[in-house]
Amino acid sequence: DVKVTQSSRYLVKRTGEKVFLECVQDMDHENMFWYRQDPGLGLRLIYFSYDVKMKEKGDIPEGYSVSREKKERFSLILESASTNQTSMYLCASSLSTGPYYEQYFGPGTRLTVT
Amino acid sequence: AQKVTQAQTEISVVEKEDVTLDCVYETRDTTYYLFWYKQPPSGELVFLIRRNSFDEQNEISGRYSWNFQKSTSSFNFTITASQVVDSAVYFCALSNSGYSTLTFGKGTMLLVSP
Repeated sequence: DVKVTQSSRYLVKRTGEKVFLECVQDMDHENMFWYRQDPGLGLRLIYFSYDVKMKEKGDIPEGYSVSREKKERFSLILESASTNQTSMYLCASSLSTGPYYEQYFGPGTRLTVT
Repeated sequence: AQKVTQAQTEISVVEKEDVTLDCVYETRDTTYYLFWYKQPPSGELVFLIRRNSFDEQNEISGRYSWNFQKSTSSFNFTITASQVVDSAVYFCALSNSGYSTLTFGKGTMLLVSP
């Protein structure tokens, strides 16, 4: 089974802090994704990566950056956390590029910025 | 632009009732894939089914069935004889051409009471 793990289930940070959310997948998947999930808005794509050191902006990249130094690890970075970034963050991976491949999700990190 | 609409925000049923979750999509692609995911209270999205645009055959898996109608751009999901364990948020998603990104609907929360 594919396993996608996220470093924390719950995280509380202060406004202005730099925040790192880590995601690791163990199935040699090429693609990795970061989403945020908010009530009434569904899942919105922040960034994705289709290869090591490659990244593409999703629908809402403002205020975020990402890093993928190794194939199995994809990090989401909040350079200066703000209260409007309080949300559930979901990481996902898929085997390869193309519309056929389903995504596998981690358990999510619920981030609260105070 | 791609769009997925799940008009039902929340549905409440009593155990053993049948329930249908609606999904309507918009795309200009001729080849695309549609997906359903389940998000139980634990938070992790679970892949349920994939259907490609050329296969309009309905699918049944146990108590779950899916009805894909290209003429109405719909991909509806029916749970027969619902159970409390079916309580979750269900997301419909549409593949985007090129990379493996998905456009998600806003989800339908299903509450099944005993």
